[in-house]
Amino acid sequence: EDQVTQSPEALRLQEGESSSLNCSYTVSGLRGLFWYRQDPGKGPEFLFTLYSAGEEKEKERLKATLTKKESFLHITAPKPEDSATYLCADQGGSEKLVFGKGTKLTVNP
Amino acid sequence: DAGVIQSPRHEVTEMGQEVTLRCKPISGHDYLFWYRQTMMRGLELLIYFNNNVPIDDSGMPEDRFSAKMPNASFSTLKIQPSEPRDSAVYFCASSQTRGTGANVLTFGAGSRLTVL
Repeated sequence: EDQVTQSPEALRLQEGESSSLNCSYTVSGLRGLFWYRQDPGKGPEFLFTLYSAGEEKEKERLKATLTKKESFLHITAPKPEDSATYLCADQGGSEKLVFGKGTKLTVNP
Repeated sequence: DAGVIQSPRHEVTEMGQEVTLRCKPISGHDYLFWYRQTMMRGLELLIYFNNNVPIDDSGMPEDRFSAKMPNASFSTLKIQPSEPRDSAVYFCASSQTRGTGANVLTFGAGSRLTVL
């Protein structure tokens, strides 16, 4: 069964303190690995899609990378406005996305 | 486009009552998904449609749950009778078939259901 596991469950950083979030997936025949951001009381908001091992994508202070069984979301010099829950999802042979439980990031000023 | 629109945003009901959640997908999107989010289980897929046809309903918990998509611009998720364990945030998402094969979902704001 396809499983997506994210770690850590929660992460507290000081403003400017860089770190990484981890996402491991088990699906075979990966068609896409997705990162979403979710703010309290809102729906998940799309950040990145990665398609193959070795691929990297960047957006402001975020950079997502992909290996054969893991993806990392690197956050460089975070700001308080980066505080949110970050969700990872994979897509295999069908159109559905399987999500991990997320990492709740808190960035203190 | 106004994005994916869900209603109601909040629903509080008593056990045994019928609950209907509504979703309007983004115009031109041919896939529609219903997910449920809880602290314990995260985001779980309940059912998804392609061109108004249900494709995979294996995530629907039991017969108390049903979903319909009568046309390309409207879908409902119904729970009858509702139980306290159904309390969760229900999200609708839509997407458009892409040549890359990867399916980027756009989510609505969710419907928070509380069953007392």
